[in-house]
Amino acid sequence: AAGVIQSPRHLIKEKRETATLKCYPIPRHDTVYWYQQGPGQDPQFLISFYEKMQSDKGSIPDRFSAQQFSDYHSELNMSSLELGDSALYFCASSQTGGNEKLFFGSGTQLSVL
Amino acid sequence: GESVGLHLPTLSVQEGDNSIINCAYSNSASDYFIWYKQESGKGPQFIIDIRSNMDKRQGQRVTVLLNKTVKHLSLQIAATQPGDSAVYFCAEWGGDMRFGAGTRLTVKP
Repeated sequence: AAGVIQSPRHLIKEKRETATLKCYPIPRHDTVYWYQQGPGQDPQFLISFYEKMQSDKGSIPDRFSAQQFSDYHSELNMSSLELGDSALYFCASSQTGGNEKLFFGSGTQLSVL
Repeated sequence: GESVGLHLPTLSVQEGDNSIINCAYSNSASDYFIWYKQESGKGPQFIIDIRSNMDKRQGQRVTVLLNKTVKHLSLQIAATQPGDSAVYFCAEWGGDMRFGAGTRLTVKP
């Protein structure tokens, strides 16, 4: 069965650079979530989209932005990267706007040097 | 080995024993709860879920208990196997999915 696809799998950037993470949800899933997970930490909710509209916002820095496109894939744009942005970034998708189980991708490991 | 009531960041059990992992959730309005298993370098994997109109749900070798009075969730794993070693997170839905602190389960052969 198709799963959530994230790219790239690993990304190395320097401070003050920008990064773009991509997420392709499971087919027919209309809701996408982004999470940030630091080493040894629980996943922290960043932002979610339902039917291409932002549905909820968590602890996402102003330097980050995201959107969901007409094909339901989503991109997380990160600017002015800081050392503390180094983390695993997960995307998850679900059906019908939420309140259903989330299916997670394998994540993008971002390292900011 | 098992833990009851208290969330522990780590739990070590002998292969074949039962495990109990606890979680306290924060939002009394949350109406949907999930347990996820996360192995090193991988995304969280769905294990079992429960809605707030239930207090118990059973899956294959796993049982989730929900106590809404004290906002407590537990995951019971029967006959724990080495492949169960991972970090386990509970998550609550109250408008979006929020994760609780994880518990690292180590299964000793």
